Amino acid sequence: GAGVSQTPSNKVTEKGKYVELRCDPISGHTALYWYRQSLGQGPEFLIYFQGTGAADDSGLPNDRFFAVRPEGSVSTLKIQRTERGDSAVYLCASRPLAGQADSYEQYFGPGTRLTVT
Amino acid sequence: AQTVTQSQPEMSVQEAETVTLSCTYDTSENNYYLFWYKQPPSRQMILVIRQEAYKQQNATENRFSVNFQKAAKSFSLKISDSQLGDTAMYFCAFMKLGGDKIIFGKGTRLHILP
Repeated sequence: GAGVSQTPSNKVTEKGKYVELRCDPISGHTALYWYRQSLGQGPEFLIYFQGTGAADDSGLPNDRFFAVRPEGSVSTLKIQRTERGDSAVYLCASRPLAGQADSYEQYFGPGTRLTVT
Repeated sequence: AQTVTQSQPEMSVQEAETVTLSCTYDTSENNYYLFWYKQPPSRQMILVIRQEAYKQQNATENRFSVNFQKAAKSFSLKISDSQLGDTAMYFCAFMKLGGDKIIFGKGTRLHILP
């Protein structure tokens, strides 16, 4: 079946602008994650959704970052007043309901590369 | 807090050779998962192998195997008969059992040379 998809693949924006990054998880996956991967680093956790609600948003760096998942499927990561330091690859992952086979595994999308100029 | 350390930023080996990537971690948890992920230039994170901490037997997936030393908090990945397609970034990662977020190391860039 289809994997996790993310759009756009690449996004270039000017400092101070607002951006939205979209994630379509695998159908039926209840958990959804956002990670940020800066150049030369491993991914860092941002936020985790179980269904429609954010179960853990402890990784969001500041209040310019916000994410939603209104219907428990697609999620949007929103960044206000972008800064050059926000430039990174933003990865999304989804996971099946706990108790299902391989429910520990997070399936990653290809990421969105955000460049803030 | 959990941390994952990969001390080899970059490695190169000849095709068909065996290579070992090192990883150490720190946690006060007793039950957890450890993973090795592969990230080729396409950016897609691909799960290579996983190990449950409560299992003493080292995990194996075809040419990939791990050496899990729980007391030493060490989790190395061995790639046998390396292939050109193994060229990628490799990330060691930790997740609490029943937990959610994955903690990644900084990665090792592996080059397989023809």
